[in-house]
Parts: sequence; C-alpha cells; structure tokens
Amino acid sequence: AQSVTQPDIHITVSEGASLELRCNYSYGATPYLFWYVQSPGQGLQLLLKYFSGDTLVQGIKGFEAEFKRSQSSFNLRKPSVHWSDAAEYFCAVGGQTGANNLFFGTGTRLTVIP
Amino acid sequence: DTAVSQTPKYLVTQMGNDKSIKCEQNLGHDTMYWYKQDSKKFLKIMFSYNNKELIINETVPNRFSPKSPDKAHLNLHINSLELGDSAVYFCASSQGQTTNEKLFFGSGTQLSVL
Repeated sequence: AQSVTQPDIHITVSEGASLELRCNYSYGATPYLFWYVQSPGQGLQLLLKYFSGDTLVQGIKGFEAEFKRSQSSFNLRKPSVHWSDAAEYFCAVGGQTGANNLFFGTGTRLTVIP
Repeated sequence: DTAVSQTPKYLVTQMGNDKSIKCEQNLGHDTMYWYKQDSKKFLKIMFSYNNKELIINETVPNRFSPKSPDKAHLNLHINSLELGDSAVYFCASSQGQTTNEKLFFGSGTQLSVL
C-alpha cells in the first residue's frame, strides 16, 4: 500500500537560515513525487515534482528536492528561507500509470522567525 | 481572474441538512477533482471527473454526490450532513487525468456541521 510520512509536524527556522523538510514514501512501483505548498486560507500550489532522470529537481521560489531511492525519501530544501515561505508543506506520491490519484502526507508547518 | 474558484468559502450548517459546494475552473482543463482535508490536515481525494465522466470514486459515503454539468464545473452535493463531514473541501483541476499533470487547487470551502 502506498503511504507518505512527513515526520516533522512543525518546524521553526530563522529567516535566512537553511531549511530541509523530510518526506519518506512507500510505493510498490516507481513513484511520481511532488511537493505542494499551502499558504493560510489558500489552496495548494505545486512547488516541484520528480518523474525520472536527474534525482535533484529544482522548483519555484528557490526550492529543490532530492529523490533517494535507497532511502525512499524525497526531502525538500531551501538554502535561505524568507518570511514569505511560512506555510504548510505537503509531500505527495502517485503512480506512473493510471489516473491522477495522489496520496498526500499530513504536512509540515513551517514558521519563520525574524 | 481566479483559475479555480469554489463557493462558498465558509459553510456552517446543522446536522441533517443538505448542502452544495460549487466549483468552476477557467483554465480549459479536462479533469476536475474534489479533495477533503480533515482537522489533522490529511488531504484525501474523493472524486475525479474527466470530461464530465467519473474516473475516480474513492470510498466515500453515498451521501456525497458529485455532479459535472460541463467540464468547467464540478459541484459537490452532500445529503444528511453529519458532524464528521466537517472539514475543508478543495476543488482542483488538471489538464489531463494522469499523475504527471500539475494540480491547480481552489482556495477551499470550510464546512462546519453543528
């Protein structure tokens, strides 16, 4: 069965500090992997996605994520966090065949302090 | 112009009532979705329609009935509302129905059943 684990419910970082949000997945086949961000009162917005190829993917707003098959992980990183990055971050996994039926993690809330 | 818009933004109602949430997308997408986000931020797909045809129907009580009058609209009707239906409901759309398609989310409808 597929699952996504985001072990950190809440992370607080200082503005300008680096960030890493963890995501571990379980999927029976080669997965598609995504990170979405949800700002307060808003819907989710796609940050980046991994399908195949280079395991380090770049996204919007200066985010990147690295797919590590051996660790079943897809961690999200940003070298220098901005106050506007405060939001809820969701990792998601889906199959390479069939209809779009993403399985989401329970999210990590990011607080940025000045 | 809002790409995916859903109304109302807030819905407070009594147990046993019937209510509807409307969703419209102006992106010209073929596929639309309803997701439910519970109080623990867990986001789970409920339904997906492609060109007005139901393609994903997760294990959802049959009190929930989606209706797609055309491919730009996907409404959600809920009969006999229960306390456990309280959640945030997100509409989303994508160009196609496969997993590699980017999802565009509405800003959510917060349903509170009293």
